[in-house]
Amino acid sequence: QKEVEQNSGPLSVPEGAIASLNCTYSDRGSQSFFWYRQYSGKSPELIMSIYSNGDKEDGRFTAQLNKASQYVSLLIRDSQPSDSATYLCAVSISGTYKYIFGTGTRLKVLA
Amino acid sequence: NAGVTQTPKFQVLKTGQSMTLQCAQDMNHNSMYWYRQDPGMGLRLIYYSASEGTTDKGEVPNGYNVSRLNKREFSLRLESAAPSQTSVYFCASWVGQGGNQPQHFGDGTRLSIL
Repeated sequence: QKEVEQNSGPLSVPEGAIASLNCTYSDRGSQSFFWYRQYSGKSPELIMSIYSNGDKEDGRFTAQLNKASQYVSLLIRDSQPSDSATYLCAVSISGTYKYIFGTGTRLKVLA
Repeated sequence: NAGVTQTPKFQVLKTGQSMTLQCAQDMNHNSMYWYRQDPGMGLRLIYYSASEGTTDKGEVPNGYNVSRLNKREFSLRLESAAPSQTSVYFCASWVGQGGNQPQHFGDGTRLSIL
């Protein structure tokens, strides 16, 4: 059974701080990794994708991947109250057409 | 560009009733998926269609059936609704194997079974 683990939170950070969200996965063959943001009552929205080891930056967001440790993270710099949402980690399952999603980390940015 | 469109957005059913949730995508994607999302459970895969003409079970297929009507459309049917099927249902599409691409989601269908 392939798994993706996330801390459910809530993770509370003050406005302007860095929020760090973490995800571990069990499938060593996974090749594609995604972070989705989901506001309450809305559908998941892609914010970052990463496919190779290292860091990938896009604006205030940085995704980090370490395949040896089976670990992917998302850093949000200069956190804003509008970043308050649930963040879902998604990982491709090797040899299939499927992705597996973590249960999500709820982030609260305090003004 | 509509992306992934789901209908209806909300539905209330009585136990034992049947209904079909509709999903259509206009991105020329090969693969389509149906998930359910329950509090604390994350997104769980019900059924998926890797390509037109194929369907396969996911993690929680019991009580559901699917039809890949054509490349654009993928429907989910509840034959005899049960209260345990109260959930938010999301349809997603994916370009298909061979590409490092994310899944794209519809807005969801909020379904309550009384």
